Amino acid sequence: GAVVSQHPSRVICKSGTSVKIECRSLDFQATTMFWYRQFPKKSLMLMATSNEGSKATYEQGVEKDKFLINHASLTLSTLTVTSAHPEDSSFYICSARSNWGGHTEAFFGQGTRLTVV
Amino acid sequence: GQNIDQPTEMTATEGAIVQINCTYQTSGFNGLFWYQQHAGEAPTFLSYNVLDGLEEKGRFSSFLSRSKGYSYLLLKELQMKDSASYLCAVVDSNYQLIWGAGTKLIIKP
Repeated sequence: GAVVSQHPSRVICKSGTSVKIECRSLDFQATTMFWYRQFPKKSLMLMATSNEGSKATYEQGVEKDKFLINHASLTLSTLTVTSAHPEDSSFYICSARSNWGGHTEAFFGQGTRLTVV
Repeated sequence: GQNIDQPTEMTATEGAIVQINCTYQTSGFNGLFWYQQHAGEAPTFLSYNVLDGLEEKGRFSSFLSRSKGYSYLLLKELQMKDSASYLCAVVDSNYQLIWGAGTKLIIKP
């Protein structure tokens, strides 16, 4: 299957700083990438849909000025958590959509564990 | 609204068989996925169903009934490493993935 690489896997940052998370599709072009957040013992929560060359579409309740998404190329999307607070500590996962055999599948990055201290 | 229901938690014994059910109500249907997620890791793909019936893949099988809005994941010969959360996700008419909350499966020796 397709490979999606997410970096870093773990990051600890101080309150008030910004953190950038990268998501790359290694062997296919992804016009659409998705950013999820997962709280402990909860399912994936879609934060935003990232479209190459255009603005991201944010889900209701997600602050677009706090979670900056850039999808500058067909293989790279970035999520920047700005002015991080401890409540932003979470597991962030990206996925890229690929169409094969007539259906759609989401391939996931490894996830990023963000801890804000 | 769109809704996917799975049991929150299940417990089974090593070597046994377990069936994890998923019912859904979505705007359109373009397939159903099952993913496995170990704690602290990203989900990994298990199966995809778009037509009614049973798809078998080794120890794992997945069943779909579109008319009933129902699917199940069947795990045979359970191993301790199968302890994980199992996520059901439906592709709706806009090709968006709608996620269930996941079923935490606990395997006991």
